[in-house]
Amino acid sequence: GNSVTQMEGPVTLSEEAFLTINCTYTATGYPSLFWYVQYPGEGLQLLLKATKADDKGSNKGFEATYRKETTSFHLEKGSVQVSDSAVYFCALSESNFGNEKLTFGTGTRLTIIP
Amino acid sequence: GAGVSQSPSNKVTEKGKDVELRCDPISGHTALYWYRQRLGQGLEFLIYFQGNSAPDKSGLPSDRFSAERTGESVSTLTIQRTQQEDSAVYLCASTPLLVDHEQFFGPGTRLTVL
Repeated sequence: GNSVTQMEGPVTLSEEAFLTINCTYTATGYPSLFWYVQYPGEGLQLLLKATKADDKGSNKGFEATYRKETTSFHLEKGSVQVSDSAVYFCALSESNFGNEKLTFGTGTRLTIIP
Repeated sequence: GAGVSQSPSNKVTEKGKDVELRCDPISGHTALYWYRQRLGQGLEFLIYFQGNSAPDKSGLPSDRFSAERTGESVSTLTIQRTQQEDSAVYLCASTPLLVDHEQFFGPGTRLTVL
């Protein structure tokens, strides 16, 4: 079956540091890949996505590239801010007659200190 | 417009009792998903509804779990004879089918079984 493995946290960085959160996946077909984020006290929301190999998703300064050869979708940001403190989830979906149920990693808690 | 809403936000119950969790999807969203997030784990898919089609119940962990949805409206997730291992955050998500693949999540119901 499908699975997602992501870097365990928690991760603590200083403001303006470079961020990488690793994510690798196992899937039987050609999944779409996602990063979801959960800010403190808020619901889960989509951060970025990529639907086919070599696509790059980007949003709010974050980027992730769909690498089929390494089955990876690592999240990166060049200069993090305190407001980026949140829990980040890598996820995949494979459409099955319209059912795009998501398979999630365990989440990585990121804390940015000023 | 209004997002996905869930009620109650918190539920504490005694082992062996039945509980009912409610999800109000975004108006016009045809697909609805339930997920469960146990402490320290990623989200697990429970069930998927799409319009009046038969739901995908493949993620329900036992026959104590059931869910209903009428058309494109409210959904309820019922857990009978609750056990301590049912303690988790239950999340609902809705999506306009085949548009952008994004699922919109509600704030969740935190269930605690004593």
